[in-house]
Amino acid sequence: AQTVTQSQPEMSVQEAETVTLSCTYDTSESNYYLFWYKQPPSRQMILVIRQEAYKQQNATENRFSVNFQKAAKSFSLKISDSQLGDTAMYFCAFMKRRSSGDKLTFGTGTRLAVRP
Amino acid sequence: GAVVSQHPSWVICKSGTSVKIECRSLDFQATTMFWYRQFPKQSLMLMATSNEGSKATYEQGVEKDKFLINHASLTLSTLTVTSAHPEDSSFYICSAATTSGSFTGELFFGEGSRLTVL
Repeated sequence: AQTVTQSQPEMSVQEAETVTLSCTYDTSESNYYLFWYKQPPSRQMILVIRQEAYKQQNATENRFSVNFQKAAKSFSLKISDSQLGDTAMYFCAFMKRRSSGDKLTFGTGTRLAVRP
Repeated sequence: GAVVSQHPSWVICKSGTSVKIECRSLDFQATTMFWYRQFPKQSLMLMATSNEGSKATYEQGVEKDKFLINHASLTLSTLTVTSAHPEDSSFYICSAATTSGSFTGELFFGEGSRLTVL
């Protein structure tokens, strides 16, 4: 079974600064997908960024980028120029495709607070 | 695009009653929908995978008779918590994947439904 570990329950960052959220996972699979989802207070979870395991290049989406280290099974999220709207719970997630429906396994989440 | 809506957003019921939660994909067809349970300050735990026109696939430890899932159309899946008890109180979230275009793995989530059983 796959497990996803987020070792930072809470993080805080000053507005406009950079913060990195950690995520490690455990799997015996070679082909899979990794995601960072954001869950703002009382709002829907939305996708921040995704990475396909077979791609060596780290994914980037505007101010969000990842450091994907496949051998180390590490998938950290870097948020640059943090904004107040980035305050949310961030979940790292692992997906392995399966015939019965793709299963997304979430980490325990990191609560990020951006200070004005 | 790719909007998923859940209803109700919150519900309070008495112990022993049944509660139905709906999950709709508003602007796309979803062959597969997923139901999660989220405890306070904890992660989302997958309960079951709902496939249109067939029986749901439940994760280990999830009671099939307690959590009834029906996926009667490509835009609607329902979760019925039968004979609810206080320990069933939780935040239930559904998600769906669009089948159009190439596979991305992205799931679109509903707003969640908070169930409180008295």
